[in-house]
Amino acid sequence: DIVMTQSPDSLAVSLGETATINCKSSQSVLYTSNNKNYLAWFQQKPGQPPKLLIYWASTRESGVPDRFSGSGSGTDFTLTISSLQAGDVAVYYCQQYYSIPWTFGQGTKVEIK
Amino acid sequence: QVQLVESGGGLVKPGGSLRLSCAASGFTFSDYYMTWIRQAPGKGLEWVSYINSGSTIYYTDSVKGRFTISRDNAKNSLYLQMDSLRAEDTAVYYCGRGIPSGAPEYWGQGTLVTVSS
Repeated sequence: DIVMTQSPDSLAVSLGETATINCKSSQSVLYTSNNKNYLAWFQQKPGQPPKLLIYWASTRESGVPDRFSGSGSGTDFTLTISSLQAGDVAVYYCQQYYSIPWTFGQGTKVEIK
Repeated sequence: QVQLVESGGGLVKPGGSLRLSCAASGFTFSDYYMTWIRQAPGKGLEWVSYINSGSTIYYTDSVKGRFTISRDNAKNSLYLQMDSLRAEDTAVYYCGRGIPSGAPEYWGQGTLVTVSS
């Protein structure tokens, strides 16, 4: 199984500042035949289901503000939230869909400082 | 608009069974794979099972032999038959959809399953 490890577990960021979340996979999730990283980022607010933010490691889902960006390849990935807003308070998860079983990171809780 | 509505959760004793349903609307159901994930109280997300339009099926190891995923394209519905339930199966179960080979892109609101004596 591919193990997904996020860092940090939580972070507090001032409004308007940038939050950076890292995700490392225990093996590459890059499919070389199509050069796509099978890595997604989700946002989950309390009492709500997960919401897809980013897929293919760096493609924003329709309707997601461009303050959210994803980067990385192979085994190391980053979600960056710029100009943090109060509505961004949530837990963020990375997920690999490269191989079964699909696996999630443990989550990173983002709060306002 | 896309809607996924789960139902069938509840309180069940260890060793018991439940059948979860997910009613889909607002899209061509047969074009998408469907999947279940779960979230134990206060915990992270765990993938449970997957079924595509061609009925290829996968399960996470902890539910193999106990859970059965199925779909009825005519009824736009997804199911999860859960047998031999254990306390560790207690969680909110979400159904989700995605395009072939893509990320799971949309989730329902979830249904709570509690396994307790």
